[in-house]
Amino acid sequence: SQKIEQNSEALNIQEGKTATLTCNYTNYSPAYLQWYRQDPGRGPVFLLLIRENEKEKRKERLKVTFDTTLKQSLFHITASQPADSATYLCAPGEYGNKLVFGAGTILRVKS
Amino acid sequence: NAGVTQTPKFRILKIGQSMTLQCTQDMNHNYMYWYRQDPGMGLKLIYYSVGAGITDKGEVPNGYNVSRSTTEDFPLRLELAAPSQTSVYFCASTPLDRAAVNSPLHFGNGTRLTVT
Repeated sequence: SQKIEQNSEALNIQEGKTATLTCNYTNYSPAYLQWYRQDPGRGPVFLLLIRENEKEKRKERLKVTFDTTLKQSLFHITASQPADSATYLCAPGEYGNKLVFGAGTILRVKS
Repeated sequence: NAGVTQTPKFRILKIGQSMTLQCTQDMNHNYMYWYRQDPGMGLKLIYYSVGAGITDKGEVPNGYNVSRSTTEDFPLRLELAAPSQTSVYFCASTPLDRAAVNSPLHFGNGTRLTVT
C-alpha cells in the first residue's frame, strides 16, 4: 500500500538556522507533491507545489526539492523564525487530485 | 470571501447518536473533500465530490455518508456514532478542473468530535 513517511520526531532548531524536513514515499509514483503548514487548532494551509518534472521550487524563504529516483522530497526554511513553528505536512498526489497526506513533522524554532 | 466554513467547532456525542457536520464554501469550487485527522496520523480521506450530485468514497468511508446537492455545501453524516469516530474532521475544496490536475486544497478549521 502507499506509504508516506515524515520525521516522526519534532525538529528543534535555533532562530536564523535552516530547517530541513523530509518526506519519503513508497509504493507510489506521484505526479506532484504539495506541502502544507498546520497550526494548532487550525486546518492545513497550502505552501508549495512541485511537479515530477521539476527538481526544485522556491518561494521567499521556502525551498522544496523532489527526487523521484530517491522517492523523496525535502522542504527547507531558511533564516527560520519562531513564527515558522508549526506542523508541516507533505502530500504526494497522482492525477485526479487525490492527495495522500503524511502525518507531518513538528517544527519548533527557538529564539 | 469566508473560504471554507465548518460547523460546529466542537461536539460531544454519545455512542449510537447521529449528527451532521456542516461544510460550506463560497469560492465556487467544484471539488470538495472530507478528511479525518487522528493524533500522529496523516489526514485520511473519507469522501469526496467532484461536483453537485456526484460523490465518491475515499480511504475510510465506513460509518459516514455524504450528499452534495449544491456547489457550496457538502455535509458529512454520522448515523450511529462509535468511539472509533472520535477525531478532528476537516472539509476542503479546490477549483480543480480538467485543465488543472493538481491545484491546492483550501481547508476549513475543523470540527473536533468526541464520541463517548
